[in-house]
Parts: sequence; C-alpha cells; structure tokens
Amino acid sequence: DTEVTQTPKHLVMGMTNKKSLKCEQHMGHRAMYWYKQKAKKPPELMFVYSYEKLSINESVPSRFSPECPNSSLLNLHLHALQPEDSALYLCASSQGASGRVSYNEQFFGPGTRLTVL
Amino acid sequence: AQSVSQHNHHVILSEAASLELGCNYSYGGTVNLFWYVQYPGQHLQLLLKYFSGDPLVKGIKGFEAEFIKSKFSFNLRKPSVQWSDTAEYFCAVNHPLSGGYQKVTFGTGTKLQVIP
Repeated sequence: DTEVTQTPKHLVMGMTNKKSLKCEQHMGHRAMYWYKQKAKKPPELMFVYSYEKLSINESVPSRFSPECPNSSLLNLHLHALQPEDSALYLCASSQGASGRVSYNEQFFGPGTRLTVL
Repeated sequence: AQSVSQHNHHVILSEAASLELGCNYSYGGTVNLFWYVQYPGQHLQLLLKYFSGDPLVKGIKGFEAEFIKSKFSFNLRKPSVQWSDTAEYFCAVNHPLSGGYQKVTFGTGTKLQVIP
C-alpha cells in the first residue's frame, strides 16, 4: 500500500465551527507532514511530525492544531478559522524526517479542499 | 534568502514540441531534488527525483531531468509533449534545517498548456 488517504475531500465551515482533517498512511512511515496550498501557489509546509512528536511548526497560527495519535494517523484540528484559511490542505508522509536524506521522499495525499465562510 | 526558482510561469506548447522547464535552487550542502506534477483537479504526483549518482535522471511518462551542481539547476525535459501533459509542474528541494531535520521547499510552479 503506497497511498496516503485524506478525509474529507471537501469541507465547508463557518468561522465559529470546530472541525478536523484526517490523514492516514500504512507504509510504515515515521514522518508525516501538513501542507497548505492556495490556488495557483506551491504547497507551503505547516507542520512536521517525526516519530509521533511535533518536530517543526512553521509559525502556524494556533487556530490550527495538529495531532498525531499514532504512527499511521495525523489530524489537523481547526477552530475559529478565517476566510483566508480557505485552501487545499495536503498531508504527506516519508520514511523519516532527519538523518539520511534518502528517507525523505514524500508521498502526498489527495488533499482536503477547505472553504471557510 | 534560500529559495527554489522556476522561471517559466506559464508555458504553451503544441503537441510533439520539446519541453524544458527551468529550476534553480540556492541551498548549499547536500540536497535532494524532485519534480512533481499536479494534473487539473488531482493531487501531487512524483515525476522524478535525484538523490545521488548519475545526474541525468529518468522519470515516469518520458520525463527526465539533469542535475548540474555547478549551476544549482535541475531542469525538467521531455522530447515530445502530449496534450495529456497539460498540468502544473513543481520543482522541489529537500534541504537540511538546524537540528538535523529536513524540509521540502517547492518552487512557484510552471503551468504547462499543450495545444492539440
């Protein structure tokens, strides 16, 4: 299984809602990532988890809260978002996140298209 | 500032034309280089990658790229494009951060439009 799955595919939420995005991989990868991609822009890194611990937070606002319950799952909890947070949220995984660079090829999921009203 | 640059933002080609998309990066040290493709409405897919060894790498769908270390470049090529190659192409660099971690930084992307 070389897939990264993400649910839901689409999400519409109000600024006062609380919702969560989910990501799952069964490749035995120990690093997982959240990216944000605005229209016609490249993906931008938000968070990196390595061995279920948060390793990198790219100065993301606290209204985005990541969680890694186990080595296969990665969640992104959303609360009090703004309309400018509307974007495609991509999850990725790799064998590792540090040390040997060959472990760092990332496999991307299809993304969750988020619209904040 | 360290970055990944793709100089062609929008390229329009006729079918069977040859393609070359430029990518330059400014990170020192050991880096890994990737080209990803994003077809309309689809997710990112890896076209090819360079970790070490032969600087000319071949990927899927007839694409290849050449790593030229002295020029900090990793240009993507295809001898004859097809209409189905219409997509957004992203160059990406995996580079080291302090603390031993790695980070992937994407270029701004090149939109390729192939006209039948």
